[in-house]
Amino acid sequence: AQKITQTQPGMFVQEKEAVTLDCTYDTSDQSYGLFWYKQPSSGEMIFLIYQGSYDEQNATEGRYSLNFQKARKSANLVISASQLGDSAMYFCAMTQYSSASKIIFGSGTRLSIRP
Amino acid sequence: DTGVSQNPRHKITKRGQNVTFRCDPISEHNRLYWYRQTLGQGPEFLTYFQNEAQLEKSRLLSDRFSAERPKGSFSTLEIQRTEQGDSAMYLCASSSHEGTNEKLFFGSGTQLSVL
Repeated sequence: AQKITQTQPGMFVQEKEAVTLDCTYDTSDQSYGLFWYKQPSSGEMIFLIYQGSYDEQNATEGRYSLNFQKARKSANLVISASQLGDSAMYFCAMTQYSSASKIIFGSGTRLSIRP
Repeated sequence: DTGVSQNPRHKITKRGQNVTFRCDPISEHNRLYWYRQTLGQGPEFLTYFQNEAQLEKSRLLSDRFSAERPKGSFSTLEIQRTEQGDSAMYLCASSSHEGTNEKLFFGSGTQLSVL
């Protein structure tokens, strides 16, 4: 079975600071993928970044990077130089590749950026 | 590429009525997902399709929920005998499943209110 846990319901960060959003996962598969999505107040879900379990390097996409620690089963999202527009809900998600597996989401973290 | 389209955007119904939602995925996408989201929570997996085959349905989903994807194109989600607890945003997402990094493209959702 697969499971995603986000333990931070909400976070406040000062503009221009870096922020780390926590995500831990559970799976018995060796092959899996991890994702982060952003959901602003407008409601749209926006894909941010992907990490495969066999990727040796941590994924990066602009100001977003994924701190992947396989042994700890964690996939934290790091946002560098936060901006007011980063205020949103952030969801961690995962899928397993051993079988035709679904993508499941965590409960999310609400990030608020202070000016 | 017109994106994922969901209709209607809003649905208000009385308890006990049946409702049907439609999702038109991105045309070349072979996978289609349905999720349910309540305020402040992450998307909850309901079911997903690869082409016209329904691969999995959430065990938490009652028999009042059914989904179809005839001919592997658009999909419908029907809820029979609606209950107030069914009130939520119903999200559809599609992807081009060709290995890893299955990036989901989401529709704007259908907001269901059961009175």
